[in-house]
Amino acid sequence: DIVMTQSPLSLPVTPGEPASISCRSSQSLLYSDGYEYLDWYLQKPGQSPQVLIYFGSNRASGVPNRFSGSGSGTDFTLKISRVEAEDVGLYYCMQTLQTPYTFGQGTKLEIK
Amino acid sequence: EVQLVQSGGGLVQPGGSLRLSCAASGLTISGYWMTWVRQAPGKGLEWVANIKPDGSERFYVDSVKGRFTISRDNAKNSVYLQMNSLRAEDTAVYYCARDHGDWGQGTLVTVSS
Repeated sequence: DIVMTQSPLSLPVTPGEPASISCRSSQSLLYSDGYEYLDWYLQKPGQSPQVLIYFGSNRASGVPNRFSGSGSGTDFTLKISRVEAEDVGLYYCMQTLQTPYTFGQGTKLEIK
Repeated sequence: EVQLVQSGGGLVQPGGSLRLSCAASGLTISGYWMTWVRQAPGKGLEWVANIKPDGSERFYVDSVKGRFTISRDNAKNSVYLQMNSLRAEDTAVYYCARDHGDWGQGTLVTVSS
């Protein structure tokens, strides 16, 4: 199974400041179609997860443009250009290259 | 607006069975892989199973193989998870989801005597 490792696991951020979350996979997520099979999700308190970024860098519909995804191979990053109070919650990366799909441990973003 | 509305779930004794349903609106699921993910109380997310758009291929996490069955009815725009021989460790909130996209509201499954 592909192991996904996120860091940090806890991320206190001042509103208006940037934030960054790293996700590393135990093997490359690049498929022969040229896509990176890595998604990012946010689970707000008491809610279902919602997709933020798919295929490594594609922002999902309705997601604010302060969220961006980058990376390739085994190293990926989710960046928030200016954190807002509504961004609190658990952030997960997930690989969909091969089954079983696997998630990172989650990064808890909180407001300072 | 896309909605995945889940039903089923509840309290069941160890060894029992449950069937979860997920009905889509605002989205035609026939073009998408569909997935079930679970989250044990206070824990992270765990992928459970997925199914190809035409239903011809299904994949499962090892811990549920032989006990759970994912299925779909594209005519009803719905996905299902039949869960048999349930164990205490299957206790979780179960989510249906479109690969790379929308998620349902979640449904709690509690396995306890």
